[in-house]
This record gives sequence, structure tokens and C-alpha cells, in this order.
Amino acid sequence: QKEVEQNSGPLSVPEGAIASLNCTYSDRGSQSFFWYRQYSGKSPELIMFIYSNGDKEDGRFTAQLNKASQYVSLLIRDSQPSDSATYLCAVAVSGYSTLTFGKGTMLLVSP
Amino acid sequence: KAGVTQTPRYLIKTRGQQVTLSCSPISGHRSVSWYQQTPGQGLQFLFEYFSETQRNKGNFPGRFSGRQFSNSRSEMNVSTLELGDSALYLCASSSGQDGDTQYFGPGTRLTVL
Repeated sequence: QKEVEQNSGPLSVPEGAIASLNCTYSDRGSQSFFWYRQYSGKSPELIMFIYSNGDKEDGRFTAQLNKASQYVSLLIRDSQPSDSATYLCAVAVSGYSTLTFGKGTMLLVSP
Repeated sequence: KAGVTQTPRYLIKTRGQQVTLSCSPISGHRSVSWYQQTPGQGLQFLFEYFSETQRNKGNFPGRFSGRQFSNSRSEMNVSTLELGDSALYLCASSSGQDGDTQYFGPGTRLTVL
């Protein structure tokens, strides 16, 4: 059974701070890792994907992957109130095109 | 490029009825995946269609079915609706290659009374 675990939160950070969102996965065959952002009442929107161990940066966002520890994280620098949303971690296993999602972490950024 | 479209956006049905939801993927994408999202269970995979064939299936009862047409548009059908089928139904479009990014449509909000 493939599982993706996230802390449900809410994670509360002040505006301008770094928000750190974490995700662990159970299947060692996992090869592709995605972070989606979902605003209340809306559909998930892709933020980043990462395939290789290490860090990947895109603007204020950094995804970090550690396959040995089966851990993937998302850092949001200079957090803004508009970043307040639920962040979903998703994993694809090698040989499959389907995604397994965590239940998401709610992030609240206060002005 | 136009994004993923889903129709209708909202539906209200009663128990025992059936419903058909539609999804048009991004042009050039051949894979359509369907997900059910509820507050308690999160996003759960229903099935994936690729080139008109169901390629993967999640753990949902046979009341949930789907199909894909030659233009990659997909439909999902739920028969004999139950109260617990109330959810946001999302479709996601991708090229269908292993681990490729999936792009979500706006979803269909189904309410079963």
C-alpha cells in the first residue's frame, strides 16, 4: 500500500518568514515528486516537481528530496498572506503514471 | 494552450440517480486521470485512461466507471448514487509518460441529497 504522509497543520507563520512543509512516502520505488497548492474551493495547482536527490529552486520555492530517508520537503521563503492554502505532496512510482497524494498541510501566513 | 476543462461545474442529484461528468484534457495530452476529493479522505485516485484504454484503476466500487474517446476527452459515470459520493471530482491531464506532471481541471462539485 503506497502511503504519503503529511502533517495536517495548520502551520502558522508570520509574513516574511520561511515556511517549511514536509512529506514522507512509503514506496521506495517512487521516482517523481510533486507539490501542489490548493486554495479553498479550487483545484490543485502545480508548484514544483523534483526527480533527483537534492534541492531544486524556483523563485521563492525550494523543493528538497532525500530518497534514502524517503522524505521530500517544500520551503517557501518570504511567505506572503497569498501563500495561505493547503499544500499537497504527491508521489509517482516508477512504471506508473498515477499519483498518490498526501492529505495536505494547511499553511496560514499572517500579515 | 487551453487548460483542462470539466463540465458541469456543479451538480445536485438524489440518492439512486446516476451522473456523468466530462473532462477535456490539454491539447496533445493523451492521459486523463480522475480523482475524488473529500474532506476526510483527501484526494483519492479513481482511474486513468490512456489512448481510450483504462490503464490504471483505484479502489472504488464498480458503480464508478469511465471511458475515453478518440479525441482524448473522458467521461466518468457514477451509478446508483449514495450520500457518500458527495465530493469534488477532479480530472487531471498529462502526456501519460511515467512520472509526468499532471494538470488539474477546475473540478465538478457533486452533491447527493
